[in-house]
This record gives sequence, C-alpha cells and structure tokens, in this order.
Amino acid sequence: NAGVMQNPRHLVRRRGQEARLRCSPMKGHSHVYWYRQLPEEGLKFMVYLQKENIIDESGMPKERFSAEFPKEGPSILRIQQVVRGDSAAYFCASSPQTSETQYFGPGTRLLVL
Amino acid sequence: KQEVTQIPAALSVPEGENLVLNCSFTDSAIYNLQWFRQDPGKGLTSLLLIQSSQREQTSGRLNASLDKSSGRSTLYIAASQPGDSATYLCAVGGGGNKLTFGTGTQLKVEL
Repeated sequence: NAGVMQNPRHLVRRRGQEARLRCSPMKGHSHVYWYRQLPEEGLKFMVYLQKENIIDESGMPKERFSAEFPKEGPSILRIQQVVRGDSAAYFCASSPQTSETQYFGPGTRLLVL
Repeated sequence: KQEVTQIPAALSVPEGENLVLNCSFTDSAIYNLQWFRQDPGKGLTSLLLIQSSQREQTSGRLNASLDKSSGRSTLYIAASQPGDSATYLCAVGGGGNKLTFGTGTQLKVEL
C-alpha cells in the first residue's frame, strides 16, 4: 500500500504565476488535509476535504488559494498569483476516517522568486 | 484557540539515554493527540496516536501518555539511538479533524 503521494516535490515559480500542488491519498482513505510549514515556523492547518466536499477551510487564506478533491483523481491545492510569502513546504495528509491517524506525504517545497 | 507548546525546543543526549519530551495544550476539548517525527527536508512520520479516552500508547521503545485534564502529553524514548535524531512534533486533534502542531523538539543523539 503506497503512502501519501505528493507532486511535484519541488516547485519554483515567479511572482504572479500559478502553483498547482497535487496529493494522492493512501488507498482507501477518503479524508485529505493540507498543511503549510513556513520557514522557521510550525505546521499550520489549511483545509480538510472529503471526496468532492470541502469540510473545513478555516486555515486557508481568503484570496488566491483554493483546494479541491474530485471524485476521480488527486486532491489539488491551487495558488494563484503567487507572492514570495507563499514560499513554504506544503504537506498533504490522509486518513481513513475522522479522528484516526493522519498519514503525511513528503511535501511539496514551493519557492517563489 | 488551541495553542500547543513543546519543551525543550532542542535536546542533545548521549546514546543509550532514556529521555522525555513534553507537550502542553491550552484547550482540553480534544479528540486525539498524535506524535510525529520529521527528518530534515522530509515529511512527517506518525509515531503514536492517543485517542482522548486513552491514557497512553506504546510502540517499541516509544511510550506516549496523555493527561487531558492538565493539558499535557509526554513522549518517552527508551535507550536512545543516533537514528532517533530528528524533530519531534506533537499535534492535537480538535474539531473538524484538524491538527494543531507544536513547534517541535529538535533531538540529537550522539555517539
């Protein structure tokens, strides 16, 4: 059973471009979470999704950020018009049910030039 | 708003020593508490999950305890090894199943 997969592992964007981060949960997991780790800071929750539904997006910036988890395919975290402050490691996690262990992917390290 | 604190921020011990990492949280209304390790430049590896109704969990040389009423958890590592060197993160699971992370304890086990 492959773990949580994230791609790309590293992404470089110039200011104003779009960044698309992908996450494939573990097989059998229908709950996906995105977290962000800014340099020298702890991980912060961004959004929690189940298939085709956003359950909790209280940690998402109000503008430029969006997330989806379609019926087929990976979960996508999309950042429009990136700025330097978006440079961070973005981690995806999945779990089979709520209140169960969250398993994390290797992360996508975004660098905005 | 839940806040999670980990003490100490960094720890260096000789190989073979038993050690305790501390985690405290401000809101005792939690669903669970999870301990992770993070190696430099890597993702998080789940170590132990304690549900809110449980007092402790054990896995190999690791033992985690939870005292919800006092807002504390400890991770005990027995007979530490150089391979245990990593950052250890405590995360509290609250409403909406989101985890609130502490800032971690950076552990170095020296030969």
